[in-house]
Amino acid sequence: ETGVTQTPRHLVMGMTNKKSLKCEQHLGHNAMYWYKQSAKKPLELMFVYSLEERVENNSVPSRFSPECPNSSHLFLHLHTLQPEDSALYLCASSQDNGGVSYEQYFGPGTRLTVT
Amino acid sequence: AQKVTQAQTEISVVEKEDVTLDCVYETRDTTYYLFWYKQPPSGELVFLIRRNSFDEQNEISGRYSWNFQKSTSSFNFTITASQVVDSAVYFCALSEDPIIQGAQKLVFGQGTRLTINP
Repeated sequence: ETGVTQTPRHLVMGMTNKKSLKCEQHLGHNAMYWYKQSAKKPLELMFVYSLEERVENNSVPSRFSPECPNSSHLFLHLHTLQPEDSALYLCASSQDNGGVSYEQYFGPGTRLTVT
Repeated sequence: AQKVTQAQTEISVVEKEDVTLDCVYETRDTTYYLFWYKQPPSGELVFLIRRNSFDEQNEISGRYSWNFQKSTSSFNFTITASQVVDSAVYFCALSEDPIIQGAQKLVFGQGTRLTINP
């Protein structure tokens, strides 16, 4: 595997379900990100992890719960979602060395539909 | 606050035409970074270019070129002799100095959907 992978690629879940999205980066990066891409909004940053520590929670509802067990893996745990949470969820990673902002590399995304 | 504006929502041209995608940004920082990403129908954002605020040199990579002008806060992207495979949504993004423990916050524009017709 190369780059950033995400599973599953598609997910349909009911509002009472609990599911998790998985992201894995094979680039040796030290920062990982979750973004939400809705049809009518720009890409929204949700969470940022740097060196496995969450450094940013961008006012995301608590029904979204991130987890970063190590620098290569990132999860997004979902529970009691709403239909408006249906979107493309993108994971990204970057190598950031404080003071220089390097490019982020993105995974293919998980298309989530909440019914 | 930082902001990125891509005023062109959709552009449609015929193959081999040149096309320019506009990007205007707002920031109060003197040190910042600008990016362009391509999102083909598959959904994955593909990195195209990164430019820091101290480097105003224009860049050319094959059929792609970028024009960075601090005086007008613009970072425009031109595709020369467009091809059908260039059809995608293109995003411009801005990142200020990393202020959160080495990680960055990217602010994206709304994106421009580019369609190249054969």
